[in-house]
Amino acid sequence: GQSLEQPSEVTAVEGAIVQINCTYQTSGFYGLSWYQQHDGGAPTFLSYNGLDGLEETGRFSSFLSRSDSYGYLLLQELQMKDSASYFCAVMGAGSYQLTFGKGTKLSVIP
Amino acid sequence: ETGVTQSPTHLIKTRGQQVTLRCSSQSGHNTVSWYQQALGQGPQFIFQYYREEENGRGNFPPRFSGLQFPNYSSELNVNALELDDSALYLCASSLAGVENTIYFGEGSWLTVV
Repeated sequence: GQSLEQPSEVTAVEGAIVQINCTYQTSGFYGLSWYQQHDGGAPTFLSYNGLDGLEETGRFSSFLSRSDSYGYLLLQELQMKDSASYFCAVMGAGSYQLTFGKGTKLSVIP
Repeated sequence: ETGVTQSPTHLIKTRGQQVTLRCSSQSGHNTVSWYQQALGQGPQFIFQYYREEENGRGNFPPRFSGLQFPNYSSELNVNALELDDSALYLCASSLAGVENTIYFGEGSWLTVV
């Protein structure tokens, strides 16, 4: 099976940088994805790391280390609209299901 | 806007009843997955359909069933509803071979009383 651990809550100041960590245990592994979900809304795809290293998309970056079973999502120049829940998710080898973490609730304060 | 539409958006059912939720996938996407998200939790995989066949199932009992139609739209059926079935049900579409990038609909909020 698969399991993921991520912090339940993070608070950061507008304009700052925040890092949300994710550690995982999985039998076989294709890659690590990140999703954003605002209250009452649908999860929205942010990024995917299939290989080790950093992927950058605008203000968002995501990192993966397969050897450490660890990844993170980095949000720069935080804006109030970034207040949301962020989920890491993995797909195991030979499986079609995404297994999600419990989510990290990010609160951006002025 | 992901192009994935679900209906109904909210509904209330009584324990023991049956419910059908519907989903239209993003244009060109031939794979549909269903997820259950309880309050404060991450989405949990129910099952996936490809070419009208179920090709993967999570840890959900048989009273959760589904269909996929030739136009790739899909239904989720839940029989003998239980109070714990109260959750947000999310439909997600993807392209076969790129299942790690999925696009969710806004979901159907089901309350069982």
